[in-house]
Amino acid sequence: GNSVTQMEGPVTLSEEAFLTINCTYTATGYPSLFWYVQYPGEGLQLLLKATKADDKGSNKGFEATYRKETTSFHLEKGSVQVSDSAVYFCALSAPYTGGFKTIFGAGTRLFVKA
Amino acid sequence: GAGVSQSPSNKVTEKGKDVELRCDPISGHTALYWYRQSLGQGLEFLIYFQGNSAPDKSGLPSDRFSAERTGGSVSTLTIQRTQQEDSAVYLCASSLGLAGGMSQTQYFGPGTRLLVL
Repeated sequence: GNSVTQMEGPVTLSEEAFLTINCTYTATGYPSLFWYVQYPGEGLQLLLKATKADDKGSNKGFEATYRKETTSFHLEKGSVQVSDSAVYFCALSAPYTGGFKTIFGAGTRLFVKA
Repeated sequence: GAGVSQSPSNKVTEKGKDVELRCDPISGHTALYWYRQSLGQGLEFLIYFQGNSAPDKSGLPSDRFSAERTGGSVSTLTIQRTQQEDSAVYLCASSLGLAGGMSQTQYFGPGTRLLVL
């Protein structure tokens, strides 16, 4: 079945460091790929998405490229800020009986130190 | 427009009691999901409704858990004979469903924080 695997956290970085959070997936066909973010005390929200191979999703300085050859969608940011401290979830959406179903990874907690 | 709403925001109950959690999805969203998030943990999928199709109940942890969705809109998650391990935040999300295709975004509610004493 479909699945999403992302790197375990927590990840601790200093401000202005480069961030990579790895995400790989298993799916039949061509899923859409997403990163969601959960800031402390807030609800989950979409960060970025990509719907086909080689697409790049970007938002708030974060980027992720849909790599079909490596079945990956790694999240990157060139210079993190303290305000980026949050839990990041990789997810895919794929056809499912009667519709589409989204599957989430386990989440990666990011701490950014000033 | 209004987002996904959930009620109550907090619920404290005694072990063995039944609880009902409510989710109001965004109007027009045909897909609705329930998840559970324990402290410091990831999202645990519970159940998925898509239109009038039979729900995907594969994530429900035991037969004490059930959910229904009336009229393709509001959903209620019921936990019978609650146990302390049921303590968690219960999240609801909705999306466009078939109309949105695979690239649809899930919109999450604020969650219900359940504490079983």
